[in-house]
Amino acid sequence: GQNIDQPTEMTATEGAIVQINCTYQTSGFNGLFWYQQHAGEAPTFLSYNVLDGLEEKGRFSSFLSRSKGYSYLLLKELQMKDSASYLCAVLDSNYQLIWGAGTKLIIKP
Amino acid sequence: GAVVSQHPSRVICKSGTSVKIECRSLDFQATTMFWYRQFPKQSLMLMATSNEGSKATYEQGVEKDKFLINHASLTLSTLTVTSAHPEDSSFYICSATAIDSSYNEQFFGPGTRLTVL
Repeated sequence: GQNIDQPTEMTATEGAIVQINCTYQTSGFNGLFWYQQHAGEAPTFLSYNVLDGLEEKGRFSSFLSRSKGYSYLLLKELQMKDSASYLCAVLDSNYQLIWGAGTKLIIKP
Repeated sequence: GAVVSQHPSRVICKSGTSVKIECRSLDFQATTMFWYRQFPKQSLMLMATSNEGSKATYEQGVEKDKFLINHASLTLSTLTVTSAHPEDSSFYICSATAIDSSYNEQFFGPGTRLTVL
C-alpha cells in the first residue's frame, strides 16, 4: 500500500528553527509537495521537490532523498504566524497526490 | 496568479436538503479539479477527481449518487451534496491543476464549511 508518515505534532519556540520530517512509500514517484494549512483554512503551496537535494525559499527550505523515501521541511526564524499544520504529499506514478496526515506545529513565545 | 474560488464559504442546511458548492479557477484554465473533504483534526480525504467534459472519478467509499460532480468548463466544477445528513457536515475543499503546470501543482480554494442540522 501507499503510506506517508509525518509526526502528528511538534512544538518550537519563536525565533528558533524546526525540521518536520516526512517518509513515504508509494507506487512510483513524481514529486513531493509541502503545504501549509492554518486552522479552518485551505492548504497553501509551500514547496515542490522532484530531484534530490535542498530547495531554499526564504525562511523555508525543503529537502528530498528519493533513495531513502525521505523529505523534510525546515523552517527558520520561526514566527507565531507559522503555527499551522504542515502537509506532506507525494505524486505517485499515476500522478495521484497521496497525502500525509499533517504535522501540527505549535509555536511558543 | 493561480487563484481558486469557492462559493459559498459557509452553509447551514436542514437534513434532507441538497447543497451545491461551486469551484472556479479565476485566472487559469484547469485541466483537472479535485474535491476533498476534511473532518476536524484529520487530513484531507480525496473524494473525486474530475476533468472537463467527462465523468468524475470517485474514490472508494464515496457515493457518486450522493455527491454529484459537474465539470462544465475549464474554469468551473460543482459539487452537489444530495439529501444531506448531519454526518455530511464537514469542510469541503476543491483544488485545480493548471493546463500549463510543469509539475501538476494543486491550487486550493478557500473551502466550504457545511453544517447539516
